[in-house]
Amino acid sequence: ELKVEQNPLFLSMQEGKNYTIYCNYSTTSDRLYWYRQDPGKSLESLFVLLSNGAVKQEGRLMASLDTKARLSTLHITAAVHDLSATYFCAFTEGGTDKLIFGTGTRLQVFP
Amino acid sequence: GAGVSQSPSNKVTEKGKDVELRCDPISGHTALYWYRQSLGQGLEFLIYFQGNSAPDKSGLPSDRFSAERTGGSVSTLTIQRTQQEDSAVYLCASSWVRIFTTDTQYFGPGTRLTVL
Repeated sequence: ELKVEQNPLFLSMQEGKNYTIYCNYSTTSDRLYWYRQDPGKSLESLFVLLSNGAVKQEGRLMASLDTKARLSTLHITAAVHDLSATYFCAFTEGGTDKLIFGTGTRLQVFP
Repeated sequence: GAGVSQSPSNKVTEKGKDVELRCDPISGHTALYWYRQSLGQGLEFLIYFQGNSAPDKSGLPSDRFSAERTGGSVSTLTIQRTQQEDSAVYLCASSWVRIFTTDTQYFGPGTRLTVL
């Protein structure tokens, strides 16, 4: 069964702190996506990781991909309240473009 | 430029009725996807159109669900004889599909379907 496991499912963190969200996926894939969703809103693309060892950074977020371990991480540096949202990772099923999504990590940043 | 648009934004219907949900992809995008998001099942793939190829319908949960894409652009997702378990947010996405790689999928705002 194709599946994606994210952890933690819920993360409450103080502003200024660092934390990492983990995404494990169950099959060979060389494309991994991270999306952000604000309450009541649609999905916003954050990162597309296309190869083993890929690392991308945007502001306080950095994503990496290890295809051998089937693991992607989303690292948050010095969190701010504006980062509060739900973060989803997703991979594409081999040979197709359909996204298989993780359960999401709900991030809440408090002062 | 304009993003993916969907209509209606909200739809409330009675059990047993048919509904149609519309998606306008980003102009020039060759691929169009439907997903749904519900509390119990999370985000699930439904169907995928790419150019003139036969659609990938592997995610449709039952034969009550169908979709078409006219002229390689606008798509309509139809749910016949709606059931309460069909209540969810239906999301449409579109992307370029290029040789050896795939652009990210850009999502529309969704249609919230409530079946009473």
